[in-house]
Formats: sequence, C-alpha cells, structure tokens
Amino acid sequence: DQQVKQNSPSLSVQEGRISILNCDYTNSMFDYFLWYKKYPAEGPTFLISISSIKDKNEDGRFTVFLNKSAKHLSLHIVPSQPGDSAVYFCAARRAYGGATNKLIFGTGTLLAVQP
Amino acid sequence: EPEVTQTPSHQVTQMGQEVILRCVPISNHLYFYWYRQILGQKVEFLVSFYNNEISEKSEIFDDQFSVERPDGSNFTLKIRSTKLEDSAMYFCASSERQGSQPQHFGDGTRLSIL
Repeated sequence: DQQVKQNSPSLSVQEGRISILNCDYTNSMFDYFLWYKKYPAEGPTFLISISSIKDKNEDGRFTVFLNKSAKHLSLHIVPSQPGDSAVYFCAARRAYGGATNKLIFGTGTLLAVQP
Repeated sequence: EPEVTQTPSHQVTQMGQEVILRCVPISNHLYFYWYRQILGQKVEFLVSFYNNEISEKSEIFDDQFSVERPDGSNFTLKIRSTKLEDSAMYFCASSERQGSQPQHFGDGTRLSIL
C-alpha cells in the first residue's frame, strides 16, 4: 500500500536549526492528515494535524503545510531540540464524505537532532 | 494527560495458541482501533469499533481475529489460532469521535509467536 510515502528514511539536523520532514500521498480522497512522533518501545504520539480546507496549521514549534495540488505535506520543527530525535510518521485518512476510520501511515523518517 | 494503556507489553505464545491483547482506551473516547506493525514494515490498520460493533476492518482482520469491549473500560483483540506471521507490535488507539479527530495510541504489545 503506497498511498502515503515518506521518501527520506532519515534526517540529521543541528540543534536550533529547522527540521523539515516531507510526505507525499497519492489518494486524492484523503482530506485529513496527521503527524505522529515515535520513540523506541513507545506507541506513536500525536503531534499535529491538518484538514484539507487549510494549507497551514501551527502549534508551538511545529507547523504542518499542505499543498493539495502537489499532494504533499511537510512538518517544520523550529527550533529543533535533541529531544525531538525520534521517528516521525505521516498519516492520512478520509474524514469527510464517505469517511473511513482507517489511518494510512507512511514508512517514517528518523530524525536525529545533533547537540 | 489521559493515555491509552495496553497490557501486556510483551507476549510470547506458541503457534496455534489463542492470545488476547488488552487495552484501556481514554475514558471519554467512543471510537477504538487496533493497528499492527510487523518489524520493518508500516503501521497497518486492523479494525475500528464503535457502539459495541465493528465499524470497519481491513483484509488482514480475518476470522482468526475478534474484538470485544467486555466492560466499560477494556477493549480486547483476540487471535484465535496464532501463526508465525502474526508476530508484530499491536497498537490500540482511541478517538473521541470521528471526523477530523486524532487517534491516540498506546505503547503497544509486542507479540512473538514461536
């Protein structure tokens, strides 16, 4: 199932700089997108979401951008901190009009923030 | 902050045996889910549950799988006769309602089938 893709398996960033994590999707019926963070031996922790009626959503250091025409979303973390080091998953679902509960996940990007 | 709790954290079972994974969703949440992640693969949806019945299930969720809410707080996943390929991390999740609502995940149960 390749409907949600995270093409970068890993990313390394210096503390204090911006981290940009990318996600592409193929299913134009998706209208709700989420980012989760996962530490080893823990479950995915919800970070931030965006619905397709918006192109940006911000929560503290985290901002998600949605480009519907490109079927692309990104997560920006500014400034990056060593505690942000984790695997980041992008997920998508159809939340309106024929809604489904099923989240489709990407493969994840391992972010390493260097002190 | 309220959280989803799962027990046990690790379950080792012989192939062919039944296994029950347990979850306590967040207390005011109405929708419950099971996902799994086989080592090295994506997190995959198994089933969603609302109002004491399955609302959606994936092709993975065959007759060997069942879910139940035996009381007001627990949500269980049963695998009737385990196979080697059932070895995975199983995550329970819950959400307050449908629509643009995030699903909140537990820390998972690692199921190892021998």
